[in-house]
Amino acid sequence: QVQLVQSGAEVKKPGASVKVSCQASGYNFASYGFSWVRQAPGQGLEWMGWISGYNANKYYAEKVQGRVIMTTDPSTSTVYMELRSLRSDDTAIYFCARDHPRRGDYLDSWGQGTLVTVSS
Amino acid sequence: EIVMTQSPGTMSVSPGERVTLSCRASQSVSNDLAWYQQRPGQAPRLLIYGASTRATSTPTRFSGSGSGTEFTLTISSLQAEDSAVYYCQRYRNWPVTFGGGTKVEIK
Repeated sequence: QVQLVQSGAEVKKPGASVKVSCQASGYNFASYGFSWVRQAPGQGLEWMGWISGYNANKYYAEKVQGRVIMTTDPSTSTVYMELRSLRSDDTAIYFCARDHPRRGDYLDSWGQGTLVTVSS
Repeated sequence: EIVMTQSPGTMSVSPGERVTLSCRASQSVSNDLAWYQQRPGQAPRLLIYGASTRATSTPTRFSGSGSGTEFTLTISSLQAEDSAVYYCQRYRNWPVTFGGGTKVEIK
């Protein structure tokens, strides 16, 4: 069955970077894309961006544009989300989710989430 | 950016009752609208896409309707396990946006 398994929790200082991984299994990696969605404590869902598993095209939300980098490693069916220049308001659970290979779409499978805490 | 607005913010409902959740888009999204359920401590789970199509394993008591700017998620007979936050999401074009969520509590 489809599974997305994310890397473990991280604690970072303000100004640092974090890189979260998401390994997909149970389907053809190149046939889908991925979105990253984050959720601050007690808050709603915020879409951060999308990357294609087909050709690594990407689209980032304006709010994180310039600080986020999404990449793929098809050899291991893994996608990565790196967020730079961390601030305290980046503290959140970060989810990867399976998406359309060429455009934004509904998200039919989700990773378990990775808690990123930004604190001095 | 299209803004998605959900109402009410919270509702408290008795088991067996019918529940109606609303989602409004600031401009037409056709039927490119999905609903998700998020139980405490869990990742969101897709319930409905295309405004009215149930995802695999979504119980039949959940139904979606609407198009354009007004959408509804209905739970025909609330069960205890339906206690969760429900989010709508517009897709197809970027940026994808989520509504703020409706929390459904069991009385």
